[in-house]
Amino acid sequence: GAGVSQSPRYKVAKRGQDVALRCDPISGHVSLFWYQQALGQGPEFLTYFQNEAQLDKSGLPSDRFFAERPEGSVSTLKIQRTQQEDSAVYLCASSHRVAIPGLLGNTIYFGEGSWLTVV
Amino acid sequence: DQQVKQNSPSLSVQEGRISILNCDYTNSMFDYFLWYKKYPAEGPTFLISISSIKDKNEDGRFTVFLNKSAKHLSLHIVPSQPGDSAVYFCAAINSGGSNYKLTFGKGTLLTVNP
Repeated sequence: GAGVSQSPRYKVAKRGQDVALRCDPISGHVSLFWYQQALGQGPEFLTYFQNEAQLDKSGLPSDRFFAERPEGSVSTLKIQRTQQEDSAVYLCASSHRVAIPGLLGNTIYFGEGSWLTVV
Repeated sequence: DQQVKQNSPSLSVQEGRISILNCDYTNSMFDYFLWYKKYPAEGPTFLISISSIKDKNEDGRFTVFLNKSAKHLSLHIVPSQPGDSAVYFCAAINSGGSNYKLTFGKGTLLTVNP
C-alpha cells in the first residue's frame, strides 16, 4: 500500500481480554517501530525491529506486551490480560533504511494508529 | 521524567503572522532533533530536523532554531496558514546511543485563525 496501515483502527476490550494489533508497513521498509501514545501525551517508544529481528524491546511496559515480525514485513503487537492503563493509541511506523530518523532522507512514516480502550 | 518538554499545550495565531513553537530538553546526549505535525486521527508526519552541529535549518515556511547551551529549540512558521492548524511534536535522538529511538514531547496544539 501507499502508507503504513494499521488494524483495527478502534478496539474496545474488556479488562482481562487479550488483544492483537496489526501493522502493515510500507513495502520494502527495513525498520519498524511501535509507539504508545496515551491521552494528552507524546508518543513513547515501545519496540524496534530491523527486518524480522527485534533489536530493542526496552519500552514494552510489562511482560503482558509482546511484539513480533516473523517474516520481516507485517508486525503484530499483542497485549495479554489488558488493563485500563493500556488504553492508548498504538502507533506503528516504518522506514526504508537503518539510519537516524530524518537524516539523509530516512523518513519515518507513521500509521494512523490503533485506538485501544479498555473498559 | 520528561526529557523533552513542550511547556505550551496550545498556541493561537492569526493567519499570515508568525507561529513560534518552543521545546526544551534535559538530556545533554541528545544531538538530533525533529519536529512532527499531527492532524486529528492521523499519524504524525515528519516536518523538519536539525543536527546539533547547526543552529538553524530552514525549509520553506518552516525554520528550526537550536540553542545548545540553553537546551532549547524552536520552530518558526512564517507566514502561518489555517492548514497549519495541528498538534506539533518536538522529538530528540541520541545518535550515539539507540539512534532509532525518538523521545517526544507532549505536543503543542497550534490553531491558525483565518
